[in-house]
Amino acid sequence: GENVEQHPSTLSVQEGDSAVIKCTYSDSASNYFPWYKQELGKRPQLIIDIRSNVGEKKDQRIAVTLNKTAKHFSLHITETQPEDSAVYFCAAFLNTDKLIFGTGTRLQVFP
Amino acid sequence: DAGITQSPRHKVTETGTPVTLRCHQTENHRYMYWYRQDPGHGLRLIHYSYGVKDTDKGEVSDGYSVSRSKTEDFLLTLESATSSQTSVYFCAISDPAGGEQFFGPGTRLTVL
Repeated sequence: GENVEQHPSTLSVQEGDSAVIKCTYSDSASNYFPWYKQELGKRPQLIIDIRSNVGEKKDQRIAVTLNKTAKHFSLHITETQPEDSAVYFCAAFLNTDKLIFGTGTRLQVFP
Repeated sequence: DAGITQSPRHKVTETGTPVTLRCHQTENHRYMYWYRQDPGHGLRLIHYSYGVKDTDKGEVSDGYSVSRSKTEDFLLTLESATSSQTSVYFCAISDPAGGEQFFGPGTRLTVL
């Protein structure tokens, strides 16, 4: 079946450094790729998304890149801050009205 | 946060008992989803709805049923709860389907 693989499962960085999380998807028909951030005990919230007709999208310190040929997309966080510490989920939208989520990356930013 | 609530927020029950979780939205979104979240598995889709009385299965639907009799309510039922269904359950809404999903606050269910 369709799946989304996400790596790494944990990531520790020093404040000010960059963090990169990578995902691959299996369904070549996927056309929407959101990223969610979930703080401890809270609900997931969308931080950025990209559609298949775009290769890169930026929003301040956050960027997402998409390689449709290789079927992978990545989240880039620059100048990390302690408040960036959370679990991040990638997802791929199937043409059957469903989102398939990756298994999550726990990011820790040390001051 | 989008107008989406879940009830109850916490529940402890015993194996074999029926359990119903409720998701309520005030956004008039067409699509509603039920996920479960477990360590190491991320968010897995249980069932979803694409309109009143229109539902379909997700990847982990065994042991669960759903109903949607009104646009604003989506119910998830565990007919006979098992310990493997101990989890955090999230409801989400979206419109259109291929757009941002807004999540509810979650329900922590413990089956003893």
